[in-house]
Amino acid sequence: KAGVTQTPRYLIKTRGQQVTLSCSPISGHRSVSWYQQTPGQGLQFLFEYFSETQRNKGNFPGRFSGRQFSNSRSEMNVSTLELGDSALYLCASSLAVDEQFFGPGTRLTVL
Amino acid sequence: QKEVEQDPGPLSVPEGAIVSLNCTYSNSAFQYFMWYRQYSRKGPELLMYTYSSGNKEDGRFTAQVDKSSKYISLFIRDSQPSDSATYLCASGNTNAGKSTFGDGTTLTVKP
Repeated sequence: KAGVTQTPRYLIKTRGQQVTLSCSPISGHRSVSWYQQTPGQGLQFLFEYFSETQRNKGNFPGRFSGRQFSNSRSEMNVSTLELGDSALYLCASSLAVDEQFFGPGTRLTVL
Repeated sequence: QKEVEQDPGPLSVPEGAIVSLNCTYSNSAFQYFMWYRQYSRKGPELLMYTYSSGNKEDGRFTAQVDKSSKYISLFIRDSQPSDSATYLCASGNTNAGKSTFGDGTTLTVKP
C-alpha cells in the first residue's frame, strides 16, 4: 500500500510570494491534516479536512489556507510569505482522525 | 501550559540499554495515544497507537498509558544505534478532530 506522498519535497521562495503544497493520502483515507514543524515550536496543527470539508483549524493567520478534492488529495496554500514561514510542512492521513500516517514533508525556505 | 508535555531530553544511552521516554497530558478528554519516531529530515513514523490504559507491546517497543495520572511512556528494550531519532508523543480525541503533539525527545544510542 503506497504511503502518503507530498510534493514538492523542497521549495525556496522569497518574502511576499505565495506557495501551494500538495498531499496525496493513503488510498481509502478520507482525513487529511496539515502540520507545521519548526525547531522552536514543534509540530503545530494547521487544519484538517474530511470528505472535502474543513473540520478543524489551528491558530494560524488567514494567509494559510487549504482545500481537499473529491479524491481526498489536499493542497495547502500560503500567501504573502514571511521569513517565519520557513518550516517543514507535514501532511498526515487517516481513516478518521486518530491513527495518523505522515508523509515525508515539504521543506519550505523563505528568503 | 501545553496540553501535552514531553521530557525534553536530549537523551544519550549506550547500545543495549533500556530507554524510557515520557509524556504527560492535561486534557481528560483525550482518548487515543500515539508514539512517533522521526529521523532527521524525514516525516514522523507511527510506532505505537493505543486507546486504552495499560501496556501495548510491539517487538522491542512497549507503550504504557496511565489515564488516571495522565501519563504516557514508551520503553525501548535492547536499544540500537538505529533507534537514534526524535520521539514524539501525541494524543487527542476524535471529537476535537486533531492530535496534539509533544515537542519531542531526541535520543542517541551510542555503539
